[in-house]
Amino acid sequence: EAQVTQNPRYLITVTGKKLTVTCSQNMNHEYMSWYRQDPGLGLRQIYYSMNVEVTDKGDVPEGYKVSRKEKRNFPLILESPSPNQTSLYFCASSPSFRASGRWEQYFGPGTRLTVT
Amino acid sequence: KNEVEQSPQNLTAQEGEFITINCSYSVGISALHWLQQHPGGGIVSLFMLSSGKKKHGRLIATINIQEKHSSLHITASHPRDSAVYICAVNLFPPGSQGNLIFGKGTKLSVKP
Repeated sequence: EAQVTQNPRYLITVTGKKLTVTCSQNMNHEYMSWYRQDPGLGLRQIYYSMNVEVTDKGDVPEGYKVSRKEKRNFPLILESPSPNQTSLYFCASSPSFRASGRWEQYFGPGTRLTVT
Repeated sequence: KNEVEQSPQNLTAQEGEFITINCSYSVGISALHWLQQHPGGGIVSLFMLSSGKKKHGRLIATINIQEKHSSLHITASHPRDSAVYICAVNLFPPGSQGNLIFGKGTKLSVKP
């Protein structure tokens, strides 16, 4: 089954304790992206990756890191989480528009993060 | 920034009604997307548009590049259409999938 998986789905942590949210897709997609969703603010893009070893900042990259060492994985790293990073996080993947003409994004189920 | 504005924010309709959700943007774009977020939180892509009109079942999406405006229509609405509908735009350059800017969503509730 074609899917994007995220782990963990729920996480409660404390300020300053490094954490990683994993994202994996099994569709051989070139493009992957991370978003956060907050009440009243909607979805905002954190980082995206056009392909392996190619990443770029979205609108709200501060406090986050990413890496794309393999095509299928795109982990989101919070080196020193703070309470303002409490949010619902979504990972998504898509085929390359340039290569396929398709731009349908497949979203993961979301990770609800609480930083106390 | 408010580069992408959706209206209305909330919409309640009776089953069977024709529904229109609007999206306006203020920047040059290469593509516009409509997404649906289910009450359980899952998000699915509905359409990607760079011009004209697309139809899938009871859903129709249109875009007017000159007016920087897109609409999502739902014909013969049904309670299962109840969801948050989100508009998002890709900024230039054309063909770039990189940066996506989202509207804040329209919450639709269809009553039986």
